[in-house]
Amino acid sequence: ELKVEQNPLFLSMQEGKNYTIYCNYSTTSDRLYWYRQDPGKSLESLFVLLSNGAVKQEGRLMASLDTKARLSTLHITAAVHDLSATYFCAVGDIQGGSEKLVFGKGTKLTVNP
Amino acid sequence: DGGITQSPKYLFRKEGQNVTLSCEQNLNHDAMYWYRQDPGQGLRLIYYSQIVNDFQKGDIAEGYSVSREKKESFPLTVTSAQKNPTAFYLCASSIRGYEQYFGPGTRLTVT
Repeated sequence: ELKVEQNPLFLSMQEGKNYTIYCNYSTTSDRLYWYRQDPGKSLESLFVLLSNGAVKQEGRLMASLDTKARLSTLHITAAVHDLSATYFCAVGDIQGGSEKLVFGKGTKLTVNP
Repeated sequence: DGGITQSPKYLFRKEGQNVTLSCEQNLNHDAMYWYRQDPGQGLRLIYYSQIVNDFQKGDIAEGYSVSREKKESFPLTVTSAQKNPTAFYLCASSIRGYEQYFGPGTRLTVT
């Protein structure tokens, strides 16, 4: 059974600082997704990582995937208040032609002035 | 505009009543999914469907039922057998095997 663990679950950081969120998963997969969720809202897709060594960047966020270590990271550079949200990683598990997503519990990020 | 719609946004029901949540997409996606989110938790898969008239149970299907009579629609019924139905429900769709796109969600409160 595929399990996904994120850490930390809560992260409070100051504006301008850097930090990394980690996503570990238990079985082989080369499909990993990062989402952002604002309070009371749906999920917004941030990154799709589909191969070992994949690295994607958008603004102050950069995501990477190491399939051998079963690890993905979401790095935040010079955080700003607008990045405050909950971030989820999800690992894709292909079964019968469909992809089932298994989610981590999320990292609630608060960026303080 | 292409996208996924869910209705209603908020739904209130009394315990013991069945309730149906709507999910419609005009993206021409074959696959559709229902997830449940509880406070402080990630999403958990309830049911999914790869093609019309076919669907499979996810990890937490007990107390729920679905139908897929049309490609565009995948309604979820929360039955009285669901022990703790209050949650945020998200529908998603995808081309089979590709990235899932999420609807805006329905927040169900059962008292």
